[in-house]
Formats: sequence, structure tokens, C-alpha cells
Amino acid sequence: EDKVVQSPLSLVVHEGDTVTLNCSYEVTNFRSLLWYKQEKKAPTFLFMLTSSGIEKKSGRLSSILDKKELSSILNITATQTGDSAIYLCAVFSNDMRFGAGTRLTVKP
Amino acid sequence: DAGITQSPRYKITETGRQVTLMCHQTWSHSYMFWYRQDLGHGLRLIYYSAAADITDKGEVPDGYVVSRSKTENFPLTLESATRSQTSVYFCASRDSKQYFGPGTRLTVT
Repeated sequence: EDKVVQSPLSLVVHEGDTVTLNCSYEVTNFRSLLWYKQEKKAPTFLFMLTSSGIEKKSGRLSSILDKKELSSILNITATQTGDSAIYLCAVFSNDMRFGAGTRLTVKP
Repeated sequence: DAGITQSPRYKITETGRQVTLMCHQTWSHSYMFWYRQDLGHGLRLIYYSAAADITDKGEVPDGYVVSRSKTENFPLTLESATRSQTSVYFCASRDSKQYFGPGTRLTVT
């Protein structure tokens, strides 16, 4: 059965810290891996990764996919309190599977 | 307005009733999805559709029915609602990115 596992489940840091969130997957017919940020409402899209080793970057956030290791990381540098959210990883294969999410809390 | 909308935003219904949640997107995206989000389970895919008249089961399809007669609409029907179907339901569509609707909070009493 396809599965997506995220770690850690929760993380508390202070403003200015750098964090790394992990996502690993076991799926058949991998097509793409997506990262989302969810605050109180619907998830908002961050990145879609299809090729191994190519970093996607948006401001202080970056992500990379390792197809050999069946995993991806999401990095956030110089964290701010506004980064506090649940970060979701999803893999699009035969269908779409989400991990349970990482709850990030950034303290001032 | 362009985007993806869901209706109703909130719904309370009784066990055994049929309920239909609506989803409409204005982008003509081929793919559309229905998820439910519950504490402890995260987002789980119920059904998805690759194009009009093509639908497939996701992770938790039991008790739900979908249809896709037009590209822009993807309604989700609970044929006989149960309390375990109390949840927040998100519709999504995608091209190179996936976009979520605002969600429908459904309570089954």
C-alpha cells in the first residue's frame, strides 16, 4: 500500500533558526511530490518536485527530491513567526497520498 | 470569479440523509480531487477524476459517490451519511500546481 511519512511530527524553534522537514514515500508509479503549507484554512501550494537533485527555491524556503532515497526535504531558513503552520507533503502516484504533516511552531 | 469554490461551506445533517457537496473550478483543469481531513489522519483522498466522465477511487471511497459530467464540476455525494463522515472536505484541482477549495465543514448528527 502506498504511504507517505513525514518527520518530525512537530517542531518548536525560535525565530531565526533554520529547520529541515522530511518526507519519505513508498508508492508505485511515482509522478511527483508536492509540499503545502496549511494554516487555519485550506492548504496552499509551495513546491512540486518531479526530478531528483534539482532544488526548488522560493524566498527562504527550498526543497529537493531524492528519488534514490525516496525522500524529500523542505528547508526554511531564518524562520519567522509567520512560518508557524502545518507543512504537508503529498505524493502523486496512482492517486494522491498525503503525509500526516509536520506542525512547526516558531517562537519569537 | 476565477478559482475553485465549494458549497455549502458548512452543513449539518442527520444520519441516513443524502448530502451532496459541490465543487466548481473555472480553470478547466483536467484533474480534480476530493479529500477529507480529520485529526489524526491528515488529508485522505476520497475520489479523483482525470477528466470529464473519468473517476477513480482514492484511499477512502466507501460511502461516497462522485460524478464528473462537466470538466468544471465535481460533486461529492454521501448516499447515506454516517457520523464517521463528520469531517472537513476539501476539493482540489491541478495543472502543474494543485489548488484547494476553501473546504466544507460537514457535521453528521
